This record gives sequence, C-alpha cells and structure tokens, in this order.
Amino acid sequence: EAQVTQNPRYLITVTGKKLTVTCSQNMNHEYMSWYRQDPGLGLRQIYYSMNVEVTDKGDVPEGYKVSRKEKRNFPLILESPSPNQTSLYFCASSTAQGTGGSQGSYGYTFGSGTRLTVV
Amino acid sequence: GENVEQHPSTLSVQEGDSAVIKCTYSDSASNYFPWYKQELGKRPQLIIDIRSNVGEKKDQRIAVTLNKTAKHFSLHITETQPEDSAVYFCAASKRGSARQLTFGSGTQLTVLP
Repeated sequence: EAQVTQNPRYLITVTGKKLTVTCSQNMNHEYMSWYRQDPGLGLRQIYYSMNVEVTDKGDVPEGYKVSRKEKRNFPLILESPSPNQTSLYFCASSTAQGTGGSQGSYGYTFGSGTRLTVV
Repeated sequence: GENVEQHPSTLSVQEGDSAVIKCTYSDSASNYFPWYKQELGKRPQLIIDIRSNVGEKKDQRIAVTLNKTAKHFSLHITETQPEDSAVYFCAASKRGSARQLTFGSGTQLTVLP
C-alpha cells in the first residue's frame, strides 16, 4: 500500500531534550515536506526537500533540522525542543512529475501525523 | 513570500444545499492550487487541484474555479451530504508543484441533516 509513515504518533517530552520524528514513504517520491498544524493557523511548512541531499527552509524553520540522506526518509529533528513547538506535525510527499498530463495532480500525500507536547 | 487567505472560517449548510469556500493569494507567480479535506483526527487529503492554465475543474460534486486576474480561487460543493463535514484547506504554490505549498487557515464545514 502506498503510504507515508510517521513515528511516533504521540510524543510528550521535556524542554531541551533532543528528539527525532521519523518519516518514510514507499512511493519513490522526489518531494518531501514537513508541516506543523496549529489551531487557526492552518498548515505551515517547516522544511521541504526536492530530492536526496537537497533541502530548503519553509515558512517556520526556526528550531528544526532535517536531513534527506535516502530518498524514502525525511526525519525532523528538534535539537532543543521548547513549549512553543507543541503542535501537530505532518510529513508529506509528492511526485515531481505529477500525474495525468497538463492537468495532472501534484498533490501531497500526508502521513498520519505526530502530536508533540513539550513541557 | 506567498500569503493565502481563506474565508469563511466556519460554514454551516443544510444537507443538499451548496457550499462555497473562497481563497485569495498574494503572489501572482503562483500557478498550482490544491484543496485538501481533513476529517476530525485524520490527515489532510487532496480532493481536487487546479493549475493556472485553466479556469475551472470539476470532479463529481466538487469544483474549483480560478480567477488569475483577481488572484482568487474557490471550492464549490454541490448537493452536500453529512460526510462532507470536515475542515477544508486551500493552498497555493508558485513552483507548479506541491513542494512549497502555502496553506490557508482552513474552513470548518458542517452539513446539517
């Protein structure tokens, strides 16, 4: 089954304790991205990657790191988490070519989400 | 950077009526506009998308229209059903792809039986 897998689904941690949220996709997608979702703010992009070893900042990258050493994996790293990083996080992937011709879909497939609480 | 505004934030309609959600974007270079549906406790899922070389796209009961001159696009849902109740997000990208999507703040749609 084509999917984006995130782990863990839920995580409670303390301020300053480094953590990693893993993301893996089995669709051979070039693009991968991390978003955080907060009430009233929609989904805000943290980082995205266009392919292996190619990453770039999104709209809210402060306090986060990513790496793309393999095409299928795109982990999100919080070196020193703070309470303002408490949020729902989504990983997503997309093909670069799209599907279906000139009106093809380029939409992201999202993972199930990781609810992070930093106390 | 791109800024996407979405209205209304909440919308209630009677079952069978139509629902319209509107979004505006700021960057005239944006050329890809998807819509996502997020049911409670679940992940966002793409329901329809449109590229800037067309003005309208339909898929059964849902349609998206795009006005490039005014920089706005809308989602239309006809013959609404209770299962259409969800949060809907619009988004825009100027890369012609999903990689750097900017999302609106979402619309909570409630379809009343």
